[in-house]
Amino acid sequence: GAVVSQHPSWVICKSGTSVKIECRSLDFQATTMFWYRQFPKQSLMLMATSNEGSKATYEQGVEKDKFLINHASLTLSTLTVTSAHPEDSSFYICSATSTSSDTQYFGPGTRLTVL
Amino acid sequence: EDKVVQSPLSLVVHEGDTVTLNCSYEVTNFRSLLWYKQEKKAPTFLFMLTSSGIEKKSGRLSSILDKKELFSILNITATQTGDSAIYLCAVCSGGGADGLTFGKGTHLIIQP
Repeated sequence: GAVVSQHPSWVICKSGTSVKIECRSLDFQATTMFWYRQFPKQSLMLMATSNEGSKATYEQGVEKDKFLINHASLTLSTLTVTSAHPEDSSFYICSATSTSSDTQYFGPGTRLTVL
Repeated sequence: EDKVVQSPLSLVVHEGDTVTLNCSYEVTNFRSLLWYKQEKKAPTFLFMLTSSGIEKKSGRLSSILDKKELFSILNITATQTGDSAIYLCAVCSGGGADGLTFGKGTHLIIQP
């Protein structure tokens, strides 16, 4: 199956700092990438949808100025958590689809802990 | 608002047993239903179902969709301890450009 990577796999930062998470599709071109968040013992919740070369579409309740998404190429999307707070601590997972498929392939996730 | 409900939320069985996991949904513009297995990290893809009544099979796992009754089941036969995981059901309602709506998952534990 298709391979999606994420970097870093985990990060610990101080409150008020910004953290960037990268998501890459390694063996296919991802026209669309998605960012999800998963709190402990809960399911994945979609945060935003990002299409290459255009602005991301955010789900209701997700602050676009806090969670900056950039999809600069067909293989890379980045999520920047700005001015992180402890309540932003979570597991952030990206996924990607190719041009015509509904199947989303997930990256391994990034565990963010904000102190 | 799209809704996906999985049952049971947790299940403990012995190795060798057969399990059936359920997923019901209410979505507008249904396109496909997907099953994922999540162990310690991110979900790994199992099946995508788009048509009613056609069983998809991979080894000991199989799944089927009923678009009239709006549900899907995931069967695992001859379970092994390595099948212990959270099984997530998700629905795609807008095509490749839309995110998935996930159920809460079924936490399956296989005891030796």
